[in-house]
Amino acid sequence: SQQGEEDPQALSIQEGENATMNCSYKTSINNLQWYRQNSGRGLVHLILIRSNEREKHSGRLRVTLDTSKKSSSLLITASRAADTASYFCATDRSTGFQKLVFGTGTRLLVSP
Amino acid sequence: DTAVSQTPKYLVTQMGNDKSIKCEQNLGHDTMYWYKQDSKKFLKIMFSYNNKELIINETVPNRFSPKSPDKAHLNLHINSLELGDSAVYFCASSQETGYQPQHFGDGTRLSIL
Repeated sequence: SQQGEEDPQALSIQEGENATMNCSYKTSINNLQWYRQNSGRGLVHLILIRSNEREKHSGRLRVTLDTSKKSSSLLITASRAADTASYFCATDRSTGFQKLVFGTGTRLLVSP
Repeated sequence: DTAVSQTPKYLVTQMGNDKSIKCEQNLGHDTMYWYKQDSKKFLKIMFSYNNKELIINETVPNRFSPKSPDKAHLNLHINSLELGDSAVYFCASSQETGYQPQHFGDGTRLSIL
């Protein structure tokens, strides 16, 4: 299966700390995306990184991609209670229409 | 305005019944998707439509039939519901071209009694 795996499965930190989540996948990809899912809600897109990119930033988010290791990481700096959510990586290996394969997700709990 | 909206939000029904979930997007996107998220939060693509044409059809029982009357709508009809169909079903949309994020609805929680 192409399904990505994320670790840790769950992460509990204090406000102000940094949170790092990792994603590993099995096949070559075109791009990798990170999504956030709050409880009872749909997924919200955070960042897309192409296979020829190594790092991307968006506000407090930093994503890295290592295609040789087939892995990516999402770093959230100076976390806030509002960052509490599940985070999913999704890989797309298609060159035409998108077909995302989602990872298993990391549940992040940020305590005040 | 909600970008991708699904109805109903909750659906509780008995085994053997037939039910439909509706999805509409007002983003002007060409491509729409249905995903199933199980109790372990594993999210898997079921179908994808581009401009009303089916382009992805994963290994889904033929009791599930998507219908796209126009590119802004993608509905999901499920016949003869089974216990294993209990899950949260998400609709999403994106632009047709690559490297585009997908926009998700808030899901329909289907519970089979």
